[in-house]
Amino acid sequence: VQLRESGPGLVKPSETLSLTCTVSGASVSSRSYYWTWIRQPPGKGLEWIGYISYSGITKYNPSLRSRLTISLDTSRNQFSLRLTSVTAADSAVYYCARDSGYYFDSWGQGTLVTVSS
Amino acid sequence: SSELTQDPAVSVALGQTVRITCQGDSLRSSYASWYQQKPGQAPVLVVFGKNKRPSGIPDRFSGSSSGNTASLIITGAQAEDEADYYCNSRDSSGNHLVFGGGTKVTVL
Repeated sequence: VQLRESGPGLVKPSETLSLTCTVSGASVSSRSYYWTWIRQPPGKGLEWIGYISYSGITKYNPSLRSRLTISLDTSRNQFSLRLTSVTAADSAVYYCARDSGYYFDSWGQGTLVTVSS
Repeated sequence: SSELTQDPAVSVALGQTVRITCQGDSLRSSYASWYQQKPGQAPVLVVFGKNKRPSGIPDRFSGSSSGNTASLIITGAQAEDEADYYCNSRDSSGNHLVFGGGTKVTVL
Protein backbone atom coordinates (compact mmCIF):
# COMPACT_ATOMS: atom_id res chain seq x y z
CA VAL A 1 0.00 0.00 0.00
CA GLN A 2 1.28 3.46 -0.87
CA LEU A 3 -0.16 6.85 0.00
CA ARG A 4 1.02 10.14 -1.45
CA GLU A 5 0.00 13.64 -0.39
CA SER A 6 -0.17 16.48 -2.88
CA GLY A 7 -1.11 20.14 -2.75
CA PRO A 8 0.26 23.64 -2.33
CA GLY A 9 3.18 24.10 0.03
CA LEU A 10 2.28 27.72 0.78
CA VAL A 11 -1.12 29.10 1.76
CA LYS A 12 -1.97 32.67 2.73
CA PRO A 13 -3.58 33.44 6.10
CA SER A 14 -7.40 33.36 6.06
CA GLU A 15 -7.41 31.25 2.88
CA THR A 16 -8.23 27.57 2.41
CA LEU A 17 -5.73 24.71 2.64
CA SER A 18 -6.51 21.84 0.26
CA LEU A 19 -4.63 18.56 0.09
CA THR A 20 -5.22 15.29 -1.72
CA CYS A 21 -4.02 11.80 -0.85
CA THR A 22 -3.65 9.32 -3.70
CA VAL A 23 -3.83 5.69 -2.64
CA SER A 24 -2.31 2.76 -4.54
CA GLY A 25 -2.33 -0.88 -3.60
CA ALA A 26 -5.63 -0.60 -1.73
CA SER A 27 -9.10 0.70 -2.49
CA VAL A 28 -10.63 3.64 -0.66
CA SER A 29 -13.92 1.82 -1.19
CA SER A 30 -12.82 -0.99 1.12
CA ARG A 31 -15.02 -1.45 4.18
CA SER A 32 -11.97 -2.41 6.24
CA TYR A 33 -10.33 0.99 6.48
CA TYR A 34 -10.73 4.58 7.53
CA TRP A 35 -8.77 7.14 5.51
CA THR A 36 -7.11 9.60 7.84
CA TRP A 37 -5.31 12.92 7.99
CA ILE A 38 -2.69 13.65 10.66
CA ARG A 39 -0.48 16.71 11.02
CA GLN A 40 2.71 17.68 12.83
CA PRO A 41 3.75 21.31 13.38
CA PRO A 42 7.50 21.84 13.05
CA GLY A 43 9.30 20.50 16.11
CA LYS A 44 6.06 19.36 17.75
CA GLY A 45 4.01 16.20 18.16
CA LEU A 46 1.41 14.45 16.04
CA GLU A 47 -2.20 15.64 15.87
CA TRP A 48 -5.08 13.49 14.59
CA ILE A 49 -7.17 15.60 12.21
CA GLY A 50 -9.93 13.19 11.21
CA TYR A 51 -11.01 10.39 8.92
CA ILE A 52 -13.50 9.32 6.29
CA SER A 53 -14.89 5.83 5.78
CA TYR A 54 -15.68 4.03 2.53
CA SER A 55 -19.29 5.16 2.88
CA GLY A 56 -18.42 8.81 3.46
CA ILE A 57 -18.88 8.84 7.22
CA THR A 58 -16.51 11.35 8.77
CA LYS A 59 -15.06 11.95 12.22
CA TYR A 60 -13.22 15.20 12.91
CA ASN A 61 -10.98 16.50 15.67
CA PRO A 62 -13.32 18.70 17.73
CA SER A 63 -10.78 21.53 17.70
CA LEU A 64 -10.88 21.67 13.87
CA ARG A 65 -14.45 20.59 13.13
CA SER A 66 -15.81 24.03 12.27
CA ARG A 67 -13.18 24.56 9.55
CA LEU A 68 -12.62 21.05 8.26
CA THR A 69 -13.99 18.88 5.45
CA ILE A 70 -12.66 15.47 4.45
CA SER A 71 -14.02 13.96 1.26
CA LEU A 72 -13.64 10.80 -0.81
CA ASP A 73 -13.22 10.33 -4.57
CA THR A 74 -13.62 6.63 -5.27
CA SER A 75 -13.21 7.07 -9.04
CA ARG A 76 -9.69 8.37 -8.53
CA ASN A 77 -8.95 6.32 -5.40
CA GLN A 78 -8.23 9.51 -3.50
CA PHE A 79 -9.36 11.34 -0.42
CA SER A 80 -8.96 15.02 0.36
CA LEU A 81 -8.70 17.54 3.15
CA ARG A 82 -10.02 21.08 3.11
CA LEU A 83 -9.26 23.44 5.99
CA THR A 84 -10.66 26.95 5.84
CA SER A 85 -9.58 30.23 7.44
CA VAL A 86 -6.03 29.05 8.09
CA THR A 87 -3.57 30.80 10.37
CA ALA A 88 0.11 30.31 11.12
CA ALA A 89 -0.90 27.70 13.70
CA ASP A 90 -2.00 25.46 10.82
CA SER A 91 1.54 25.33 9.42
CA ALA A 92 2.62 21.69 9.66
CA VAL A 93 3.66 18.55 7.87
CA TYR A 94 0.40 16.92 6.82
CA TYR A 95 0.28 13.14 6.56
CA CYS A 96 -2.39 10.91 5.10
CA ALA A 97 -2.65 7.45 6.59
CA ARG A 98 -4.74 4.28 6.56
CA ASP A 99 -6.56 3.43 9.78
CA SER A 100 -7.10 -0.32 9.99
CA GLY A 101 -9.02 -0.28 13.25
CA TYR A 102 -7.60 2.34 15.60
CA TYR A 103 -4.08 1.93 14.30
CA PHE A 104 -2.34 3.51 11.32
CA ASP A 105 -0.51 0.86 9.34
CA SER A 106 0.35 2.85 6.21
CA TRP A 107 1.46 6.46 5.97
CA GLY A 108 2.31 8.91 3.22
CA GLN A 109 5.70 10.61 3.29
CA GLY A 110 4.09 13.87 4.42
CA THR A 111 3.87 17.29 2.83
CA LEU A 112 4.89 20.56 4.47
CA VAL A 113 2.32 23.32 4.35
CA THR A 114 3.35 26.79 5.45
CA VAL A 115 0.78 29.49 6.15
CA SER A 116 2.32 32.86 5.39
CA SER A 117 1.60 35.99 3.42
CA SER B 1 -2.89 19.35 26.15
CA SER B 2 -3.24 15.71 25.16
CA GLU B 3 -5.54 13.20 26.84
CA LEU B 4 -2.66 10.72 26.60
CA THR B 5 0.40 11.58 28.67
CA GLN B 6 3.93 10.50 27.85
CA ASP B 7 7.24 11.35 29.47
CA PRO B 8 9.06 13.81 27.19
CA ALA B 9 12.34 11.92 27.16
CA VAL B 10 14.02 8.74 28.36
CA SER B 11 17.48 7.31 27.87
CA VAL B 12 18.71 3.74 27.76
CA ALA B 13 22.14 2.14 27.60
CA LEU B 14 22.89 0.15 24.48
CA GLY B 15 21.55 -3.39 24.87
CA GLN B 16 19.44 -2.59 27.91
CA THR B 17 15.66 -2.47 28.27
CA VAL B 18 13.53 0.66 28.23
CA ARG B 19 9.82 1.08 28.98
CA ILE B 20 7.94 3.99 27.42
CA THR B 21 4.62 4.72 29.08
CA CYS B 22 1.37 6.31 27.96
CA GLN B 23 -1.30 7.25 30.49
CA GLY B 24 -4.93 8.08 29.90
CA ASP B 25 -8.40 7.14 31.11
CA SER B 26 -9.39 5.78 27.69
CA LEU B 27 -6.66 3.15 27.99
CA ARG B 28 -8.75 1.31 30.59
CA SER B 29 -11.00 0.17 27.74
CA SER B 30 -9.00 0.71 24.53
CA TYR B 31 -5.69 -0.54 23.22
CA ALA B 32 -2.91 1.87 22.35
CA SER B 33 -0.92 1.78 19.16
CA TRP B 34 2.72 2.88 19.07
CA TYR B 35 4.70 4.71 16.39
CA GLN B 36 8.41 5.28 15.88
CA GLN B 37 9.46 8.48 14.13
CA LYS B 38 13.00 9.30 13.10
CA PRO B 39 14.01 12.83 12.03
CA GLY B 40 12.62 13.84 8.68
CA GLN B 41 10.63 10.63 8.28
CA ALA B 42 7.00 9.62 8.55
CA PRO B 43 5.99 7.67 11.64
CA VAL B 44 6.09 3.88 11.49
CA LEU B 45 3.70 1.57 13.34
CA VAL B 46 5.64 -0.69 15.73
CA VAL B 47 3.02 -2.16 18.09
CA PHE B 48 -0.80 -2.29 18.03
CA GLY B 49 -3.68 -4.11 19.63
CA LYS B 50 -2.84 -6.68 22.26
CA ASN B 51 0.93 -6.71 21.70
CA LYS B 52 0.91 -7.22 17.91
CA ARG B 53 3.76 -6.21 15.63
CA PRO B 54 3.53 -5.46 11.91
CA SER B 55 5.65 -7.51 9.59
CA GLY B 56 9.26 -6.36 9.64
CA ILE B 57 9.24 -4.91 13.16
CA PRO B 58 11.87 -6.62 15.35
CA ASP B 59 10.61 -8.70 18.22
CA ARG B 60 12.54 -6.56 20.69
CA PHE B 61 9.52 -4.24 20.49
CA SER B 62 6.58 -5.30 22.64
CA GLY B 63 3.53 -3.76 24.23
CA SER B 64 1.67 -4.18 27.49
CA SER B 65 -1.20 -2.55 29.31
CA SER B 66 -2.38 -2.24 32.89
CA GLY B 67 -5.19 -0.03 34.12
CA ASN B 68 -4.87 3.41 32.56
CA THR B 69 -1.29 2.86 31.37
CA ALA B 70 -0.01 1.38 28.13
CA SER B 71 3.66 0.61 27.68
CA LEU B 72 6.03 0.09 24.79
CA ILE B 73 9.01 -1.99 25.81
CA ILE B 74 12.25 -2.19 23.89
CA THR B 75 14.26 -5.19 25.08
CA GLY B 76 17.92 -4.91 24.12
CA ALA B 77 17.82 -1.39 22.68
CA GLN B 78 19.89 -0.79 19.57
CA ALA B 79 21.41 2.44 18.29
CA GLU B 80 18.84 2.52 15.47
CA ASP B 81 16.02 2.61 18.03
CA GLU B 82 16.90 6.20 18.92
CA ALA B 83 13.79 8.09 17.83
CA ASP B 84 10.59 9.75 18.97
CA TYR B 85 7.82 7.39 20.01
CA TYR B 86 4.12 8.26 20.04
CA CYS B 87 1.15 6.42 21.48
CA ASN B 88 -2.35 6.72 20.03
CA SER B 89 -5.76 5.65 21.20
CA ARG B 90 -9.32 6.89 21.55
CA ASP B 91 -10.06 10.04 23.50
CA SER B 92 -12.21 10.07 26.62
CA SER B 93 -15.41 10.42 24.55
CA GLY B 94 -14.50 7.30 22.59
CA ASN B 95 -15.44 9.04 19.36
CA HIS B 96 -12.11 10.43 18.27
CA LEU B 97 -8.47 9.49 18.24
CA VAL B 98 -5.67 11.27 20.03
CA PHE B 99 -1.87 11.04 20.18
CA GLY B 100 0.31 11.30 23.22
CA GLY B 101 2.84 14.12 23.30
CA GLY B 102 5.69 11.80 22.33
CA THR B 103 8.78 10.44 24.07
CA LYS B 104 12.28 11.02 22.76
CA VAL B 105 14.40 7.92 23.31
CA THR B 106 18.16 8.34 23.47
CA VAL B 107 20.38 5.26 23.26
CA LEU B 108 23.61 5.84 25.17
